[in-house]
Amino acid sequence: NAGVTQTPKFRVLKTGQSMTLLCAQDMNHEYMYWYRQDPGMGLRLIHYSVGEGTTAKGEVPDGYNVSRLKKQNFLLGLESAAPSQTSVYFCASRMGSRTNQPQHFGDGTRLSIL
Amino acid sequence: KQEVTQIPAALSVPEGENLVLNCSFTDSAIYNLQWFRQDPGKGLTSLLLIQSSQREQTSGRLNASLDKSSGRSTLYIAASQPGDSATYLCAASNYGGATNKLIFGTGTLLAVQP
Repeated sequence: NAGVTQTPKFRVLKTGQSMTLLCAQDMNHEYMYWYRQDPGMGLRLIHYSVGEGTTAKGEVPDGYNVSRLKKQNFLLGLESAAPSQTSVYFCASRMGSRTNQPQHFGDGTRLSIL
Repeated sequence: KQEVTQIPAALSVPEGENLVLNCSFTDSAIYNLQWFRQDPGKGLTSLLLIQSSQREQTSGRLNASLDKSSGRSTLYIAASQPGDSATYLCAASNYGGATNKLIFGTGTLLAVQP
């Protein structure tokens, strides 16, 4: 029962490099989310998806792109990494739109941009 | 714009003590409110979710309350144990349906001393 799995767990990049973070969920959840967590600022929503083939901007979308080609996967891309994108990135999923359905989180990807 | 505040930022208690963690929010038109636990280097574990129409939720030694009129939620932990040591986050959502965007507080770091 894996739940939400994030790959990789750690990564160090140089400024200007690109990379893709992968989020996979095996719970057949409809909705998926990408957050970043920074000290003193809490978690902030980057992008989210309400279904396969759909994406939408969250609170801090600049510098990131996302894709949801398959229902179980939600990819977060950094086209040209900047030091300000050093953070811990969390993916979450949610079954549906009922009020009593919580978001379930992965263990995070720790990303450092040098 | 919804803002979520958690005070204190850190709390240390002796084992066995009952304790209350506080969460305040500025916009009372919330859809639901979630309490999470985060262990060091780990992701978020959902503890309790309170729907807008509810006043409280209970799970084991945990009880969460919601008072929309005062913009407050509390997480009560009974008979605290060293294993309860973690960061506790609350998150409010003003969006129903598919979106359910969460606004997080910065958390309370709890240390339960044996």
